[in-house]
Amino acid sequence: DVKVTQSSRYLVKRTGEKVFLECVQDMDHENMFWYRQDPGLGLRLIYFSYDVKMKEKGDIPEGYSVSREKKERFSLILESASTNQTSMYLCASGGANSYEQYFGPGTRLTVT
Amino acid sequence: GENVEQHPSTLSVQEGDSAVIKCTYSDSASNYFPWYKQELGKRPQLIIDIRSNVGEKKDQRIAVTLNKTAKHFSLHITETQPEDSAVYFCAPGDNYGQNFVFGPGTRLSVLP
Repeated sequence: DVKVTQSSRYLVKRTGEKVFLECVQDMDHENMFWYRQDPGLGLRLIYFSYDVKMKEKGDIPEGYSVSREKKERFSLILESASTNQTSMYLCASGGANSYEQYFGPGTRLTVT
Repeated sequence: GENVEQHPSTLSVQEGDSAVIKCTYSDSASNYFPWYKQELGKRPQLIIDIRSNVGEKKDQRIAVTLNKTAKHFSLHITETQPEDSAVYFCAPGDNYGQNFVFGPGTRLSVLP
């Protein structure tokens, strides 16, 4: 069974804080993704990575950065958290020659 | 970029009835057409998918049909059950899983 885990299920941070969200997958997948999910907007892609140290911007990268130093780990960084970044953050992974994405349980981030 | 819409946004059916959700997309390069199901409080999971060289695929009570000319594909659920209640997302894509856009989601409620 593919396992994708995220470092926290719930997180509360203050405006201006630096926030790290971590995602780990155990299937040796090349592709990893970060999405945010908001009611009525579906899942919007923030960044994805198709290899170690590689990253590509998604649809809404502003205010975020990512890091992929190891194949199994993909981190999302909010350099200076703002209240409009309050959301559910979902990580996903997928194989290089596969279309299916496997999602983590999500991190509900609240920025106050 | 890809523009993805789903209709309807919410759908209520009686248990045992059929449900149909339609996904329209704009990018003619899309060649992979999946449907994900997200139950309340859980992660999205792939339930069925279809490639562009196939017009229809069925898996027990669920089926997906594709009209590539008109750029839409649909999820069909027959003999609905309460456990089918969830939010369903389409995510047409291409380029081996590196280019997905999720639709806004359809909330299906199956009433007993």
